[in-house]
Amino acid sequence: DTEVTQTPKHLVMGMTNKKSLKCEQHMGHRAMYWYKQKAKKPPELMFVYSYEKLSINESVPSRFSPECPNSSLLNLHLHALQPEDSALYLCASSQEPGGNTDTQYFGPGTRLTVL
Amino acid sequence: AQKVTQAQTEISVVEKEDVTLDCVYETRDTTYYLFWYKQPPSGELVFLIRRNSFDEQNEISGRYSWNFQKSTSSFNFTITASQVVDSAVYFCALSEAKAAGNKLTFGGGTRVLVKP
Repeated sequence: DTEVTQTPKHLVMGMTNKKSLKCEQHMGHRAMYWYKQKAKKPPELMFVYSYEKLSINESVPSRFSPECPNSSLLNLHLHALQPEDSALYLCASSQEPGGNTDTQYFGPGTRLTVL
Repeated sequence: AQKVTQAQTEISVVEKEDVTLDCVYETRDTTYYLFWYKQPPSGELVFLIRRNSFDEQNEISGRYSWNFQKSTSSFNFTITASQVVDSAVYFCALSEAKAAGNKLTFGGGTRVLVKP
């Protein structure tokens, strides 16, 4: 089973709102990732959590705040977003960060619209 | 810096034709990993295949096959006897193995349209 779940599927928010995206996996994977994908573009890495610690932050603005409460759960807290932040947000997980068989499995994504 | 180039932006075929997607990559690492992912209109990225840099054996898996050539830094992917359900955007991706997490660098994607 290579299932990664994400909620909500769709989210519409105003620029003053605070919202959160949720990602969950029960495969025992030790790395979890957030990607942002704009229309007709490839995904771009935002954050990586390795063994529940933030290991990579790709210079993402502070209005995006990741959190990894436990090894199965990854959140992305959103605050004071801009309309240009509207995108598909993809979560992924992989079994063994740094391992030579490590493969990322993606969730279905949350389609975010900022008004 | 790593870079992945997919020169074909869109390919249109008729069902049952074969489709080959090109991917060229650049990396300074001696150990790296190559992937193909499929993204149907629903949006989810689906893992298809993976190849390690130290294993140049080419394989066939069902209707999918791939051709990894280290000498030309290419990792091409073929769908044999295409079906309408193969219509999607296909991404080639490259990563290096780091304990901090394997950062995937994606190509720009190739949109495949299979017509009945």
